[in-house]
Amino acid sequence: KAGVTQTPRYLIKTRGQQVTLSCSPISGHRSVSWYQQTPGQGLQFLFEYFSETQRNKGNFPGRFSGRQFSNSRSEMNVSTLELGDSALYLCASSIKAGGPSYEQYFGPGTRLTVT
Amino acid sequence: GDSVTQMEGPVTLSEEAFLTINCTYTATGYPSLFWYVQYPGEGLQLLLKATKADDKGSNKGFEATYRKETTSFHLEKGSVQVSDSAVYFCALSDEGSGNTPLVFGKGTRLSVIA
Repeated sequence: KAGVTQTPRYLIKTRGQQVTLSCSPISGHRSVSWYQQTPGQGLQFLFEYFSETQRNKGNFPGRFSGRQFSNSRSEMNVSTLELGDSALYLCASSIKAGGPSYEQYFGPGTRLTVT
Repeated sequence: GDSVTQMEGPVTLSEEAFLTINCTYTATGYPSLFWYVQYPGEGLQLLLKATKADDKGSNKGFEATYRKETTSFHLEKGSVQVSDSAVYFCALSDEGSGNTPLVFGKGTRLSVIA
């Protein structure tokens, strides 16, 4: 079974621009979560989608948004990019949201560099 | 809020040495606990998990026991290999408090030398 795929793998953008990242979950997985990884802040939760609905949201500004499609694929968008948005953005999928056997499987990430 | 604290790295060990990476947590509910590993240039891989007190998660020679009384989930391996060099993250998911997203520790970088 194919794993979580993220596109693109690398991205360079300029301050003020916007960017869209894509995530395709493992087949059959309906929950997709996004995390930001930086050397200073570590891994921080952005948001989680389940069946096209945002289920949880982390403490990030409104410039960060996401959505999920009917095939469970998800996109996240960052508008008005700032230098501090440079990070590895990780997507994770799970069969369902929560539950005693809740496990998340991560993709390889998209490395975003803002100049 | 929920939090995870793990030992600062980097940790450098010789091949076949014993590994312990300490992890303690704070949670309002009754969390599930996880160890993830990140190899250079890759995303995170689930290494092992435990969902209730005294559960022992194990995988690839790594073990961790859910200790509710000490709120700990220390990672151990009896004999490390060079291929174990990676960053290890302790994490929790606290569904009981309605907070299912993973909360991660800062990560511990392990380097194993031959």
